[in-house]
Amino acid sequence: AQSVTQPDIHITVSEGASLELRCNYSYGATPYLFWYVQSPGQGLQLLLKYFSGDTLVQGIKGFEAEFKRSQSSFNLRKPSVHWSDAAEYFCAVGGGSYIPTFGRGTSLIVHP
Amino acid sequence: DVKVTQSSRYLVKRTGEKVFLECVQDMDHENMFWYRQDPGLGLRLIYFSYDVKMKEKGDIPEGYSVSREKKERFSLILESASTNQTSMYLCASSPGATSEEKLFFGSGTQLSVL
Repeated sequence: AQSVTQPDIHITVSEGASLELRCNYSYGATPYLFWYVQSPGQGLQLLLKYFSGDTLVQGIKGFEAEFKRSQSSFNLRKPSVHWSDAAEYFCAVGGGSYIPTFGRGTSLIVHP
Repeated sequence: DVKVTQSSRYLVKRTGEKVFLECVQDMDHENMFWYRQDPGLGLRLIYFSYDVKMKEKGDIPEGYSVSREKKERFSLILESASTNQTSMYLCASSPGATSEEKLFFGSGTQLSVL
């Protein structure tokens, strides 16, 4: 069975600082990996996804993520955080079934 | 752009009531999903459907049922609402037959059961 761990429940950063959100997955084969963002009062929106190829994936809103097979990780990064990035971030892993499994989410708080 | 519409943004019901949550997607997607979102627990899959009249249980189906009579509509039914079903409910859809497809989410229905 596939699983996802997001070890940080909350992350607080100052506006303009860099950001890294951690995601570790468990899956027996090559995974499909996703990062979604949920702004307050909204549904989830896809930031980026990895299926194969280049392990550094670029997404929307200036986000990127790096797939590291040896560490079973897919961490999300942004070089300079904006106040509008405050949101809930979810990592998800998919595989042979139709159904991606989501992590518990990381809440990002941005201080001015 | 794909639109997934959930009929209610907020809903307040009483214990024991039968509750219907409606979801409609406008892009002819094959797959539709119902998730429940609770703080600290993330998204948990209740039911999903990969075709009309087809349904599969997810991780937490107890106390829920679903209906998919038309491709674009997927309904979640709480047969007898209980206070522990107070939660945010998210509907999603996806076009393909593999898990590499991204999910398109509705804005959610915040259900309170009193």
